[in-house]
Parts: sequence; structure tokens; C-alpha cells
Amino acid sequence: GNSVTQMEGPVTLSEEAFLTINCTYTATGYPSLFWYVQYPGEGLQLLLKATKADDKGSNKGFEATYRKETTSFHLEKGSVQVSDSAVYFCALSDQDGGSNYKLTFGKGTLLTVNP
Amino acid sequence: GAVVSQHPSRVICKSGTSVKIECRSLDFQATTMFWYRQFPKQSLMLMATSNEGSKATYEQGVEKDKFLINHASLTLSTLTVTSAHPEDSSFYICSASRGRDEQFFGPGTRLTVL
Repeated sequence: GNSVTQMEGPVTLSEEAFLTINCTYTATGYPSLFWYVQYPGEGLQLLLKATKADDKGSNKGFEATYRKETTSFHLEKGSVQVSDSAVYFCALSDQDGGSNYKLTFGKGTLLTVNP
Repeated sequence: GAVVSQHPSRVICKSGTSVKIECRSLDFQATTMFWYRQFPKQSLMLMATSNEGSKATYEQGVEKDKFLINHASLTLSTLTVTSAHPEDSSFYICSASRGRDEQFFGPGTRLTVL
């Protein structure tokens, strides 16, 4: 079956530091890959996505590249802000054998950015 | 676009009562809706997948008689937790899909069973 493994947190950084959160996946098909962000007490928001190999998703200074050869989708940001403090989830989407696409999530990484 | 709402955002109930949570896609028609459960500091666990007008498909280990899902229209799905007990206390999140691989998430409902 499908699975997503992401680095365990928590991750604590100072403002303007460089961020990397590693994510690797196992999938039987050709999944789309996502990063979602969850702020305290809220649902998930899509941060970025990539639908095929070598695609780069980007949003709000965050980037991730779909690497099929290493089955990875690492999240990076060059300079984090306090407002980036949240839980980040890596996920893949693949069809379930029927017509539905299902998401498989990693366990989430808590990021805390200190001023 | 692609906004999903949930109601209520928080609910506290007594043990043994039933609680209904609504999930609505506000500006699009959702062919598929999903219900997740999230425990503190943990990832989302998919409970069930529902397509409009058909019975929900439950994940292994999820009691379908306890967690009743109705998907009556392309913009509304409901989750009813029947005879709730303290162990059902959790954060319930729904999502909606337009039939492709992206899901749009609601803000979640915090259920506390006393």
C-alpha cells in the first residue's frame, strides 16, 4: 500500500533561518504529492502540490520538487517567519482502485519559529 | 474558490447522546467528500469516503453503525456520531473533492464527550 514518511519534529528555528522538512513516499501508482499546513485549532490548508515527476510546487516562499528517482518531496523555505509556525503534512493522492482519489498523510511536523 | 465549511466548530455533549456534524462545499459541487479524525499531535485518519447519493465506504476498523454518514447532495455531507462516549472525543475534519486528486478541507469540529 501507499505510505508517506516525513521527518519527525518538533523543528524549532529562528526567524530568517532556512527550513527543510524531508518527505519520502511509497506508492504503487503515479501519485500527486502535496504539502498541507495546519495552524492551531484549524483544518488543513493546501500549501503546494506537484502532479508529476520533476514538477516543482511553490507558494508563499515554500518550494518542493517531485523527485521520482528518490521518491521524495522535501519542503524548503529560504527564510522562515514567525507566522510560519504550524504543523506541516506531506501527503500523496492516488486512486483507490475505484474512481476515488484518496490522500495518504505523513505524521506531520511541528515547526516553531522564534523571533 | 473551493471553500468548505463545517458546523459546528465545537460541540460538547453528554455521554450517550448523538451529535451531527455538517460539511458543506460553499462554491463548488463536491462529487466526493471525506471524513477524517485527528487525535492530538497526530496525523489525520481517514474514516470514510462518501459519494453523493450512494452509501459511504468506511475504512477498516471504523464502525459504520456508530459513525453515520449521509451525502444527500453535491454540497452537503453529514457525520452523525451515535451514542457518543468519551473515547469519541476528537477533532473531526471533512474534505471535499471535485473528482480529481485535490481535496479541500473544512476547518474542523472539536467534539468533547463528557
